[in-house]
Amino acid sequence: AQSVTQLGSHVSVSEGALVLLRCNYSSSVPPYLFWYVQYPNQGLQLLLKYTTGATLVKGINGFEAEFKKSETSFHLTKPSAHMSDAAEYFCAVSPGGYNKLIFGAGTRLAVHP
Amino acid sequence: DAGVIQSPRHEVTEMGQEVTLRCKPISGHNSLFWYRQTMMRGLELLIYFNNNVPIDDSGMPEDRFSAKMPNASFSTLKIQPSEPRDSAVYFCASHPGGVEEKLFFGSGTQLSVL
Repeated sequence: AQSVTQLGSHVSVSEGALVLLRCNYSSSVPPYLFWYVQYPNQGLQLLLKYTTGATLVKGINGFEAEFKKSETSFHLTKPSAHMSDAAEYFCAVSPGGYNKLIFGAGTRLAVHP
Repeated sequence: DAGVIQSPRHEVTEMGQEVTLRCKPISGHNSLFWYRQTMMRGLELLIYFNNNVPIDDSGMPEDRFSAKMPNASFSTLKIQPSEPRDSAVYFCASHPGGVEEKLFFGSGTQLSVL
């Protein structure tokens, strides 16, 4: 079975500061891992994904995430936060494939001037 | 393409009433998913269909919930009778199959049961 734990339901950073959103997963098979972003009153959009190969993956809007098997983690980072990054971020896992996803509870990111 | 279309956008109803949420997936997509989002439980997968057939409904909370997909272009999620604890945002998502790397989400239905 697969599950996802996101540490911190709310994260607040200053504009220009580092963004770090934490995600740990559990999977009985090699996982596919995803980060999705949800802007207010919208559906979720794919930010980035890891399937196989390079463990550091880059996504849209300057975000990246690193798959660490030994730590069962897939933390999301961005070197410099922008006001437009304020949104809710969801980490997700699947046992393979891009469709049946198990999501974490989400982390709401606030960016203040 | 218009994307995944959900209706209504908002629904307010009274406890005990029947509620029907609707979803039109992207044309050509063969998988459809219903998710529920609440503050307490986050985003939960309720049920998913592949080629109009329900594959996994283990996330459906109880018998008050039912979902159908009569054809490739339409799905419904019904709650009868509704209860205040059903208040949530319900998302529909579709996937074309194959190597497409992402789910396509609708904008959701905000359900409030009073």
